[in-house]
Amino acid sequence: NAGVTQTPKFQVLKTGQSMTLQCAQDMNHEYMSWYRQDPGMGLRLIHYSVGAGITDQGEVPNGYNVSRSTTEDFPLRLLSAAPSQTSVYFCASSSRQGSYTFGSGTRLTVV
Amino acid sequence: AQTVTQSQPEMSVQEAETVTLSCTYDTSESDYYLFWYKQPPSRQMILVIRQEAYKQQNATENRFSVNFQKAAKSFSLKISDSQLGDAAMYFCAYRSSPNSGNTPLVFGKGTRLSVIA
Repeated sequence: NAGVTQTPKFQVLKTGQSMTLQCAQDMNHEYMSWYRQDPGMGLRLIHYSVGAGITDQGEVPNGYNVSRSTTEDFPLRLLSAAPSQTSVYFCASSSRQGSYTFGSGTRLTVV
Repeated sequence: AQTVTQSQPEMSVQEAETVTLSCTYDTSESDYYLFWYKQPPSRQMILVIRQEAYKQQNATENRFSVNFQKAAKSFSLKISDSQLGDAAMYFCAYRSSPNSGNTPLVFGKGTRLSVIA
């Protein structure tokens, strides 16, 4: 049982480049979320989904897109990377009343 | 919107001693869940303990226990017999009940715990 799988673990982008952070879970969880973690800021919610085909914005959605075409996958797209998006990104999933399980994170640097 | 506040950016404890990390939250909901997550240097987010708001009994997991004061909106974590492996960043988090529809986690800014040998 792999849990929540995030790829890649590390990425360096140039300003203006686009990329997709992948997130997949094999626990049949309805809820999935993307967070970014910055020093002194805790984890801030970017986007979340309560089921396939349903997504909504979190606290810091600007510059990011998501889609949820299947229960298992919840990719996060950076449209045009900016240095302000340098951060550690976490994907998490949960059943309706369960606790959230986190992926191992992606460290992204935008230069 | 719900908010979670951790007022102690850093804490330290002697090995084998007890330490309490503080967390307060703000909500108008009556049914919700509260969590403590541990993040060691590996950056993996590890669930430490979970509390359902409707339960009056405080949750306990081995050396970890909580003091849940619903009226005061307080949710502190007590670590007993501290070990070197407890050194980590600890995050308090809030989740609405699924009946409220909106259920992603809301995090505090974290408390960095150091354990002194």
